[in-house]
Amino acid sequence: EAAVTQSPRNKVTVTGGNVTLSCRQTNSHNYMYWYRQDTGHGLRLIHYSYGAGNLQIGDVPDGYKATRTTQEDFFLLLELASPSQTSLYFCASRADSPSYEQYFGPGTRLTVL
Amino acid sequence: AQSVTQPDARVTVSEGASLQLRCKYSYSGTPYLFWYVQYPRQGLQLLLKYYSGDPVVQGVNGFEAEFSKSNSSFHLRKASVHWSDSAVYFCVLRDRNSNNRIFFGDGTQLVVKP
Repeated sequence: EAAVTQSPRNKVTVTGGNVTLSCRQTNSHNYMYWYRQDTGHGLRLIHYSYGAGNLQIGDVPDGYKATRTTQEDFFLLLELASPSQTSLYFCASRADSPSYEQYFGPGTRLTVL
Repeated sequence: AQSVTQPDARVTVSEGASLQLRCKYSYSGTPYLFWYVQYPRQGLQLLLKYYSGDPVVQGVNGFEAEFSKSNSSFHLRKASVHWSDSAVYFCVLRDRNSNNRIFFGDGTQLVVKP
């Protein structure tokens, strides 16, 4: 079965701190995504990638960097964390045609104090 | 511009009652549409999807959805809800013309009363 894992599951940091969220997929999917979920906003796309070394900008990229080191691994980096980045972060991978289904990880809850 | 609107932020129904969660979309052409469910403290899981053909699509756990091009809608239905259906439901559009970008609705929280 398709699997997407995220670590850590919970993270607390202070304003200005440096945070890295990790995502690994064992689906052999090309596309991977980082979303944030906030009350009243649903899921918003931060960055995505269609393969190792590739990065595409999403809808809410400010304050975030991302890096796709392998087909399996996609990282989200917050180099100067701010309280506005307190959120629930989801990683997903996406199947190719014809399904195009997205498979989501369990989420990482980040709190920036 | 493409968008998805779920007009009801929260829906409360009694166990055993029927359910409809509304979804309206904006898209020129025929989109790919999905319903995902998010149970507490979990990621999103696919319930059902529509690509083409029969406008009524069946999903898991007795859910179905009906696509209407004339109404730009993709409402989710279930004949008889169970308390375990309590979750947040997301309507999702995939833009087949724009590198398959995904657009999420804001979600509808379903509360099933015993």
